[in-house]
Amino acid sequence: AQTVTQSQPEMSVQEAETVTLSCTYDTSESDYYLFWYKQPPSRQMILVIRQEAYKQQNATENRFSVNFQKAAKSFSLKISDSQLGDAAMYFCAYRTKKSSGDKLTFGTGTRLAVRP
Amino acid sequence: DSGVTQTPKHLITATGQRVTLRCSPRSGDLSVYWYQQSLDQGLQFLIQYYNGEERAKGNILERFSAQQFPDLHSELNLSSLELGDSALYFCASSPGTGVQPQHFGDGTRLSIL
Repeated sequence: AQTVTQSQPEMSVQEAETVTLSCTYDTSESDYYLFWYKQPPSRQMILVIRQEAYKQQNATENRFSVNFQKAAKSFSLKISDSQLGDAAMYFCAYRTKKSSGDKLTFGTGTRLAVRP
Repeated sequence: DSGVTQTPKHLITATGQRVTLRCSPRSGDLSVYWYQQSLDQGLQFLIQYYNGEERAKGNILERFSAQQFPDLHSELNLSSLELGDSALYFCASSPGTGVQPQHFGDGTRLSIL
């Protein structure tokens, strides 16, 4: 079974600075998807960014980018020019490509605080 | 707005009772997923339906059941409720194939008194 580990329960960043959230995962599969979801205090789950494992190029969405290291099974999220609205819980998630079920397996989350 | 609609937003009930949570997926999405978010268990997958059929089952208790109807909306039934069932229950939907991600509803917060 796949597992996802987020070793940083809490992180803090100064507004306008850059912060990196860590995520590692364990799988025996060679092709899969990885995601970062954001959960603000409103409790919504908002997709931030996604990565397909067979693509070597790191995904980027505006101020958000990932560092995907497949051999190391690492998938970190970098937030540049941090804004107050970035304060939230961030979850890393794994999804298989198998047709027998494509559930998301989540890490335990990292709570990000943004200091003004 | 994700396009996934969950009702009700909040539910308060007592131990031993039964409740039904409802989810309408995004237009065109065939897959519906249910997740439970609690303080001690984190975000856990419960069950997935694809076009009316159960596709995958996770850590879903026998007291819980779900179904997906011909119009693709889904219901999660929770019975013989216990204090530990208090949680935020999310529904998500996706086309069911390919790279498209799951989009989440706003969740139903269930409180057991």
